[in-house]
Amino acid sequence: ILNVEQSPQSLHVQEGDSTNFTCSFPSSNFYALHWYRWETAKSPEALFVMTLNGDEKKKGRISATLNTKEGYSYLYIKGSQPEDSATYLCAFIGAGNNRKLIWGLGTSLAVNP
Amino acid sequence: DAGITQSPRHKVTETGTPVTLRCHQTENHRYMYWYRQDPGHGLRLIHYSYGVKDTDKGEVSDGYSVSRSKTEDFLLTLESATSSQTSVYFCAIRGTGDEKLFFGSGTQLSVL
Repeated sequence: ILNVEQSPQSLHVQEGDSTNFTCSFPSSNFYALHWYRWETAKSPEALFVMTLNGDEKKKGRISATLNTKEGYSYLYIKGSQPEDSATYLCAFIGAGNNRKLIWGLGTSLAVNP
Repeated sequence: DAGITQSPRHKVTETGTPVTLRCHQTENHRYMYWYRQDPGHGLRLIHYSYGVKDTDKGEVSDGYSVSRSKTEDFLLTLESATSSQTSVYFCAIRGTGDEKLFFGSGTQLSVL
């Protein structure tokens, strides 16, 4: 059974703090790793799609790294703002099997003003 | 905007009645998905489609069926709704290139 784990489950930070969270996934048969941001009462939106070991992606104050050999990805938020409050999901895609996404349960981030 | 719409947005129904949710896309993408979202479970795949008339089960497919008679529409049917199917349902399409998913706005379904 393929398992994707995200930690921590939830996080409360103050505005201006930098934070990071982890996505752990199987280290074999890797195809891609996705990060999504999911605001309350909205739909998930893609942040990053990562495919190569050592990949680093950046979008504004948010960045992500990927280590496929050890099976983890980090998401970093620099200088958190209240509008960053959301659940951050990662999804692992293995090669084959129609490349179905295996989702983590997410990290819920609350940024206090 | 990936041109994906779900209908209805909200539905209240009674146990034992059939319910059909519709997902419509305008971008001609091959892969379409139905997920349900419940507290503590995250996103769980119900069914997905990889082409017209090509569908497969996800991890929570019991009690659900799907149909894809044309590229743009992917229908999810609850043949006889149960209270355990009260949930928020999301449709998604897989884009081309980096293959990220684009989600519809969701359907809040309540089965009383």
